[in-house]
Amino acid sequence: GNSVTQMEGPVTLSEEAFLTINCTYTATGYPSLFWYVQYPGEGLQLLLKATKADDKGSNKGFEATYRKETTSFHLEKGSVQVSDSAVYFCALRRGTGANNLFFGTGTRLTVIP
Amino acid sequence: DTAVSQTPKYLVTQMGNDKSIKCEQNLGHDTMYWYKQDSKKFLKIMFSYNNKELIINETVPNRFSPKSPDKAHLNLHINSLELGDSAVYFCASSQDGGPANYGYTFGSGTRLTVV
Repeated sequence: GNSVTQMEGPVTLSEEAFLTINCTYTATGYPSLFWYVQYPGEGLQLLLKATKADDKGSNKGFEATYRKETTSFHLEKGSVQVSDSAVYFCALRRGTGANNLFFGTGTRLTVIP
Repeated sequence: DTAVSQTPKYLVTQMGNDKSIKCEQNLGHDTMYWYKQDSKKFLKIMFSYNNKELIINETVPNRFSPKSPDKAHLNLHINSLELGDSAVYFCASSQDGGPANYGYTFGSGTRLTVV
């Protein structure tokens, strides 16, 4: 079946630290992969995506590379800011129909000054 | 210009009451969803509607009833509210039938507190 496994949180980092949030997936075929972010008190926003192997998605200093050989899509940022404190969700979308978006459990990131 | 809008943003109500949450999308998407997010931030799909027809109904109490008057609206009605219904409810929509290049678009959530 299709599933996403995310690094357990919470993660606490100091400002300007390097961030990695691990995400691996199980899927048949070639899913599209996404990272969503949920800032405190807000809804989910699409942060970045990659639609085929070796693609790199990037936005707001965050990056993730679609690695088919390791079935991974780890989220990275070189220097986090306090404003990056949020919950991050890895997700995959498989196929062209409805009901095909599968979320990980979310990782809470707190960045302290 | 809000793509997926849901109201109200906050809802505080007493046990046993009946309440509704409304959702509208102006993206022309085919399918709309309701998700429940618990206190640990875990997202669980509850319902999805494709072009006004229910196509998935996960195991949720029948006190929850979705209603879709048209393709752009999916409302959630909850009867006899219980303490355990307290959560954040998200509406979402998706465009289907093409490449799976796009994720879902989410509303900003409704925080329901049952007291």
